[in-house]
Amino acid sequence: SALTQPPSASGSPGQSVTISCTGTSSDVGGYKYVSWYQHHPGKAPKLLIFEVNRRPSGVPDRFSGSKSGNTASLTVSGLQPEDESEFYCSSYAGNRPVVFGGGTKLTV
Amino acid sequence: DVQLVESGGGLVQPGGSLRLSCAASGFRFGASAMNWVRQAPGRGPEWLSYISTGSLNFNYADSVKGRFTISRDDAKNSLFLQMNSLRDDDTAVYYCARGPEHTLDVWGQGTTVTVSS
Repeated sequence: SALTQPPSASGSPGQSVTISCTGTSSDVGGYKYVSWYQHHPGKAPKLLIFEVNRRPSGVPDRFSGSKSGNTASLTVSGLQPEDESEFYCSSYAGNRPVVFGGGTKLTV
Repeated sequence: DVQLVESGGGLVQPGGSLRLSCAASGFRFGASAMNWVRQAPGRGPEWLSYISTGSLNFNYADSVKGRFTISRDDAKNSLFLQMNSLRDDDTAVYYCARGPEHTLDVWGQGTTVTVSS
């Protein structure tokens, strides 16, 4: 995948975990359009974060996004059992025009 | 409820064709840009194609350009993906999703396409 994510992450209920998403100046570093998606197997993927740090209506503020240089991050605070799922980042990339990460499986 | 439901997936031989459909409900489909995204086993998602409102603009990933065609029927709240010259590496779960390419705010549950002889 064009964006690099750690394959796995874990934390105990109530703890916080941060997932990184590393790209280049042609994608993550060059634009404000970084999104994060949550995917429970067999269900529709869900938009969690858009434009680096904005949350759609209905997404709990336990989910937050940030970016520094070519690396974006998703932080999940106050981990809950239902947070156990796969997380994917994406970034606008100009002509391509969007690239995704390989995904991070979160274990709670 | 806002919902997208894909259909049309299945088993097809290499070189064959398949047409995927996506039925939209609960929102103004005609006012929404739409996309197709796929996810091969063990890999991250791959954006495939975009269609604007009114079918004025289209965009395709290099991996499917010239083989896949996106279209929409606003009267039927439906999105389509015509897939020709299918290859083994087109095997994946195919999703339709609403929005500009970089912010897909509604996704379907996907339909599975398997290309194999």
